[in-house]
Amino acid sequence: GAVVSQHPSWVICKSGTSVKIECRSLDFQATTMFWYRQFPKQSLMLMATSNEGSKATYEQGVEKDKFLINHASLTLSTLTVTSAHPEDSSFYICSAGLAPSQGTQYFGPGTRLLVL
Amino acid sequence: GENVEQHPSTLSVQEGDSAVIKCTYSDSASNYFPWYKQELGKRPQLIIDIRSNVGEKKDQRIAVTLNKTAKHFSLHITETQPEDSAVYFCATRGSARQLTFGSGTQLTVLP
Repeated sequence: GAVVSQHPSWVICKSGTSVKIECRSLDFQATTMFWYRQFPKQSLMLMATSNEGSKATYEQGVEKDKFLINHASLTLSTLTVTSAHPEDSSFYICSAGLAPSQGTQYFGPGTRLLVL
Repeated sequence: GENVEQHPSTLSVQEGDSAVIKCTYSDSASNYFPWYKQELGKRPQLIIDIRSNVGEKKDQRIAVTLNKTAKHFSLHITETQPEDSAVYFCATRGSARQLTFGSGTQLTVLP
């Protein structure tokens, strides 16, 4: 299957700082990547769809100015959590597919964010 | 938008028994139905998927059935083993390109 990497795997930061998370498709090109957030013992909640070369599409209730997404190349999407607060602490996971129309999504290993 | 319901939320079975997890969905345009397994602290792993043009798919001990008329699909695991213990998520892909996930099922296989 396709390989998706994510960096960093975990990060601890102080309240008010910004954190950038990278998602890379290692052996394929992805015009579309997805960003999810997962709280403990809960399901994956889609935050936004990252589109290469254009603006991301955010889900209802997700602040686009707080969660900045950049998809500058066919293998890299970044999520920046700006002015992080303790309630932003969560497990952030990205996914990408070989062909968006086919539906199959492969997930990155996730980034655990803890905001103090 | 799509609404996916998953049952049960927890499931305990004896090693060697079968486990069945069910999901229902609302969007009649949904055409792709994957199942993911997630171990604690790790990424979801695709274990099997089915498309709307087939009713059943099997891969060794894992099978998925789809009833498009009733809008439900199920995951079947036979001869369960302790390493099958994990959280399982169903998902659908409907009118939009993104996946909508069920709430998850914590499966515990007792030795």
